Amino acid sequence: AQSVAQPEDQVNVAEGNPLTVKCTYSVSGNPYLFWYVQYPNRGLQFLLKYITGDNLVKGSYGFEAEFNKSQTSFHLKKPSALVSDSALYFCAVRDKRYSSASKIIFGSGTRLSIRP
Amino acid sequence: SQTIHQWPATLVQPVGSPLSLECTVEGTSNPNLYWYRQAAGRGLQLLFYSVGIGQISSEVPQNLSASRPQDRQFILSSKKLLLSDSGFYLCAWSVRGGGVEQYFGPGTRLTVT
Repeated sequence: AQSVAQPEDQVNVAEGNPLTVKCTYSVSGNPYLFWYVQYPNRGLQFLLKYITGDNLVKGSYGFEAEFNKSQTSFHLKKPSALVSDSALYFCAVRDKRYSSASKIIFGSGTRLSIRP
Repeated sequence: SQTIHQWPATLVQPVGSPLSLECTVEGTSNPNLYWYRQAAGRGLQLLFYSVGIGQISSEVPQNLSASRPQDRQFILSSKKLLLSDSGFYLCAWSVRGGGVEQYFGPGTRLTVT
């Protein structure tokens, strides 16, 4: 079965420090992977995706993610955290069983808290 | 550019009352459309998806139904709400036939009392 796992419910980082939000996946074949961010009482915003190509993917708001096939991971990173980065982050993988619809399987979410 | 709207933004309804939530997309044609429910501010549960007018696929058996009367309109309904229907309802769209990522609306907060 295809799935993603976010092993940390919460990540706490001081402003200005680098941040990493972890994600591992389980997919047969080549995965399509995504990161989304959700601010309180708002919809999810698309940050970035990995389909193929360069293992380092750059996205919105200075975020990037590193695809590691041997470790089946797709960790989200940012070199210098901002207080405004505090939000709920979701890792996701495309469900390849469906070709007509772009069905996505979401992880359970990681709450990122940046302290001033 | 594409925009997705949901209304109402918030809704408080008594148990046993009907429900209708609406989602519309602007700036694109023939989108795939999706309804999700998010409980307790965490995981997302896919409720329904649609690849065309009148074509609805249900992911989980439940008290809700969905309809797509127009290409860019997606409606979530219930005849009689249950307490367990409370949650944050999100609509999303993706490009049909090639797009992989989904784009989400602002959501509707439903509280059933």
